[in-house]
Amino acid sequence: EPEVTQTPSHQVTQMGQEVILRCVPISNHLYFYWYRQILGQKVEFLVSFYNNEISEKSEIFDDQFSVERPDGSNFTLKIRSTKLEDSAMYFCASSEGPPRNEQFFGPGTRLTVL
Amino acid sequence: AQKITQTQPGMFVQEKEAVTLDCTYDTSDPSYGLFWYKQPSSGEMIFLIYQGSYDQQNATEGRYSLNFQKARKSANLVISASQLGDSAMYFCAMSLANQAGTALIFGKGTTLSVSS
Repeated sequence: EPEVTQTPSHQVTQMGQEVILRCVPISNHLYFYWYRQILGQKVEFLVSFYNNEISEKSEIFDDQFSVERPDGSNFTLKIRSTKLEDSAMYFCASSEGPPRNEQFFGPGTRLTVL
Repeated sequence: AQKITQTQPGMFVQEKEAVTLDCTYDTSDPSYGLFWYKQPSSGEMIFLIYQGSYDQQNATEGRYSLNFQKARKSANLVISASQLGDSAMYFCAMSLANQAGTALIFGKGTTLSVSS
């Protein structure tokens, strides 16, 4: 069964460093998403991406964040200068799109900023 | 704006019994989807069930069913014959249908503990 994959599973970085989180969405899906979940809290939407551009983004997704689909399979989230409060689980998801917009999640990347 | 409310921080159930996890939602849009996800202690988000706002029948997927009451804006998850492996956090979520790349809005979750 096709699934979303994410690498790495855990990333530890120093405050102020750049990180890139990688995702491979399900191959026939057209819509891609990033969410984050701070430990013990609910899942929060960051950004959605379709047809090589951002469809929607939340207030969390500020200038420190960017997304890219560098090739036909990968979808990346870059955080330019990490802060302590960026420590969270980051989930990538993908969907076929409307009408159901059923989103399938990857296993997540645990980001720890020291 | 859409909002999801899950009022039960934790629920406890005995193995083989049924349990209902509550979810209410708020939206002014007539076309939307409701979802339930399971998050075990390992952290992944597992899709369980989907209900569209125009679906006439309540959704069912194996032991999971969604009790959809549109007038009350509720979308409760019913798990029948609970198993120890059902112990996890459960999130209710919604998105607007028929809109490209729309976000899932999640509730705060309910922790389900199944005992033998």
